[in-house]
Amino acid sequence: KAGVTQTPRYLIKTRGQQVTLSCSPISGHRSVSWYQQTPGQGLQFLFEYFSETQRNKGNFPGRFSGRQFSNSRSEMNVSTLELGDSALYLCASSLGIYNEQFFGPGTRLTVL
Amino acid sequence: AQTVTQSQPEMSVQEAETVTLSCTYDTSESNYYLFWYKQPPSRQMILVIRQEAYKQQNATENRFSVNFQKAAKSFSLKISDSQLGDTAMYFCASHTNTGNQFYFGTGTSLTVIP
Repeated sequence: KAGVTQTPRYLIKTRGQQVTLSCSPISGHRSVSWYQQTPGQGLQFLFEYFSETQRNKGNFPGRFSGRQFSNSRSEMNVSTLELGDSALYLCASSLGIYNEQFFGPGTRLTVL
Repeated sequence: AQTVTQSQPEMSVQEAETVTLSCTYDTSESNYYLFWYKQPPSRQMILVIRQEAYKQQNATENRFSVNFQKAAKSFSLKISDSQLGDTAMYFCASHTNTGNQFYFGTGTSLTVIP
């Protein structure tokens, strides 16, 4: 089985712009979670989708949004980028609750 | 909300030696799962080991084992016979059945010295 894929792998944007990141889960996985990883902060949970529904959301401003499509692929959008949004954004998929999460390679976002 | 604390930002160990990474967590849930994930430099995060809270027996995966102390809310990872490939960031995480998210610690950067 192919693993979790994320595109693009690297992205450079300027303040005020918006960005869309994509995640394709492992085939058969219906749960997709997004995390922001920064040095010293570890992984901060953004949101989790299951069967196109957002089931849980972390403590991030409304500039961060996401969605999931019927094929379980998920996108994350960040509007009005700020310097502090520079981070590695990780996507993880799983069969459901309690199951191991499989992580993608991440998208490295740099905001200038 | 849950919290997961890893109090050792960095650790090092000599090759072939044993090292223990610490993790404490805080939850009011009765049923939950605990995990250790490994993130090698510039590589994807992978699961190392997983422990169900209702199981008293400590989980073991080859050279990796945990010391799960439920009353103390402690979940440490022991790596035996350390290898150079064990050099990575290690994250402790918890997950409960009432939420749909994992809570991660801030990680421990482990370096295996040849």
